[in-house]
Amino acid sequence: NAGVMQNPRHLVRRRGQEARLRCSPMKGHSHVYWYRQLPEEGLKFMVYLQKENIIDESGMPKERFSAEFPKEGPSILRIQQVVRGDSAAYFCASSPGIGPSNQPQHFGDGTRLSIL
Amino acid sequence: AQTVTQSQPEMSVQEAETVTLSCTYDTSENNYYLFWYKQPPSRQMILVIRQEAYKQQNATENRFSVNFQKAAKSFSLKISDSQLGDTAMYFCAFMKQVPGNQFYFGTGTSLTVIP
Repeated sequence: NAGVMQNPRHLVRRRGQEARLRCSPMKGHSHVYWYRQLPEEGLKFMVYLQKENIIDESGMPKERFSAEFPKEGPSILRIQQVVRGDSAAYFCASSPGIGPSNQPQHFGDGTRLSIL
Repeated sequence: AQTVTQSQPEMSVQEAETVTLSCTYDTSENNYYLFWYKQPPSRQMILVIRQEAYKQQNATENRFSVNFQKAAKSFSLKISDSQLGDTAMYFCAFMKQVPGNQFYFGTGTSLTVIP
């Protein structure tokens, strides 16, 4: 049973380009969460999605960042016109649902985004 | 808003000794969960132990145990018989259930086990 799969593992972009990070949740999981880890910091919640719905995006920057989780395929975190401050590790987590019987979340290995 | 504070940026312990990592949190929620995650140099997030806030009994997982003090909002991790493989960043995390199972993480404690 494969875990949460994130790709790419490392992504290098120049300032102004677009970055697309992909996350395939564990089989049977319909809830996806994205977190960002800046250097020397803990993970910070960005967005929570269910299939075709954004449930909570309170941690997502208002500009340049967007996320989707389509009916088919992986969840995508998209960063437009990247800047140096976007350099971070981006983690995805998934769970089968919410509530006491549906945690903890399972984390992917992260995507390390570097902006030149 | 939920906040999680880890006041020890770095700690070290001799192999086979015991070490305690501290964590405090602030919340107005009554139902929540607390976790410790380990992040080795590979940067994977590995669940170490979890505690349900409604349970008074402290969670234990092999060499890892917690001291959960709900009134004080304190959640420390004790590692017994420390091993070299325990060297990693340790993150304390709070999870609320509404609207979804979002985590709130502390800034981490870097633990080094000395041979």
